[in-house]
Amino acid sequence: KNEVEQSPQNLTAQEGEFITINCSYSVGISALHWLQQHPGGGIVSLFMLSSGKKKHGRLIATINIQEKHSSLHITASHPRDSAVYICAVPYGGSQGNLIFGKGTKLSVKP
Amino acid sequence: KAGVTQTPRYLIKTRGQQVTLSCSPISGHRSVSWYQQTPGQGLQFLFEYFSETQRNKGNFPGRFSGRQFSNSRSEMNVSTLELGDSALYLCASSFLPLAGGSETQYFGPGTRLLVL
Repeated sequence: KNEVEQSPQNLTAQEGEFITINCSYSVGISALHWLQQHPGGGIVSLFMLSSGKKKHGRLIATINIQEKHSSLHITASHPRDSAVYICAVPYGGSQGNLIFGKGTKLSVKP
Repeated sequence: KAGVTQTPRYLIKTRGQQVTLSCSPISGHRSVSWYQQTPGQGLQFLFEYFSETQRNKGNFPGRFSGRQFSNSRSEMNVSTLELGDSALYLCASSFLPLAGGSETQYFGPGTRLLVL
């Protein structure tokens, strides 16, 4: 069983739709990361959160530590949001040692 | 501040050769981690360095090695390259808060290695 599970694997949406990507993990963690990877490979850290909710622009991330579950929401999606979204958790208490989900490939159509 | 830089960006090698990849972290960051990304396995942790010491190592064979210099720059080396080593190699840096807590990882653009 993977320690970090993401769903869905692929997601196609129409511009303007509300999008939710889910992440479940099986290890105890102090924080969870949401990352965005565009074609070409560059990875950008979107959020690091250990409780509750964080918001940045149209992106919202929530986490429920008890349920070991996090969600990434995108409101009013736009074609430029098309990317792979990856959740990651630190392993063994070391923040520099991340375990990654397989990623969710999002495609937003105009 | 300049971001994390990695050199070279692209590399083609043949089986059996060795390769050295370089990562310069964001100024002031002392922690550097390396990751391998392949279509089949996704992103996997290779090593983590802090203040020239390897703190953690992922589940990779001994052909994969790394080091960190006093200026926090880091290199990773892969000896006796195999076809399966073809991947995107990413490094990430972070500032390790003295009081502990969590750190945001800042990723470099990656080095794309092709082994023929």
